[in-house]
Amino acid sequence: KAGVTQTPRYLIKTRGQQVTLSCSPISGHRSVSWYQQTPGQGLQFLFEYFSETQRNKGNFPGRFSGRQFSNSRSEMNVSTLELGDSALYLCASSLLPGEVTEAFFGQGTRLTVV
Amino acid sequence: KNEVEQSPQNLTAQEGEFITINCSYSVGISALHWLQQHPGGGIVSLFMLSSGKKKHGRLIATINIQEKHSSLHITASHPRDSAVYICAVFQGAQKLVFGQGTRLTINP
Repeated sequence: KAGVTQTPRYLIKTRGQQVTLSCSPISGHRSVSWYQQTPGQGLQFLFEYFSETQRNKGNFPGRFSGRQFSNSRSEMNVSTLELGDSALYLCASSLLPGEVTEAFFGQGTRLTVV
Repeated sequence: KNEVEQSPQNLTAQEGEFITINCSYSVGISALHWLQQHPGGGIVSLFMLSSGKKKHGRLIATINIQEKHSSLHITASHPRDSAVYICAVFQGAQKLVFGQGTRLTINP
């Protein structure tokens, strides 16, 4: 069974550009969550999707958005990139939303904004 | 003050030593994750627990809900255990709150 797949693995963008990251969950998993990891702030929750609906959102500006498709694949978009958006972006999938199901993480996309 | 505090932040030990990493949290939770992150970034879920104790190979995780405290133990540590270990608690609806991580280095 394939794990959680994130693409691309590495990305370099310039300030002001926008970026789209992709996450394919484990087959059968319908919940996808996104997290940002920076040296200063550690891991922080971005948002969670289930059945194409955003169920929960962390404290990030509106430049951060996401969506989920009918096949449960998810994308997150960051517009008007800032230097501080440089981070490792991780997604996790689980069978269902909520705390009772285990989450499985992807390898992450490392975004560098220059 | 962070909602999830881990200690120590850094830990260096010799191969074979017994390792303990602690996690304290200040919010009410229903479940707690222990995660392992190797250089390169990928995260592996080690345990998800809501009470008592779980064991997987050389890894043992315990949680005391009343004291809001969890520990991760590694027996007979090995250099391949070198990684960052992260404690995370669920705050409902798949929102995870993470500790800052413990960087573990096991020297041969």
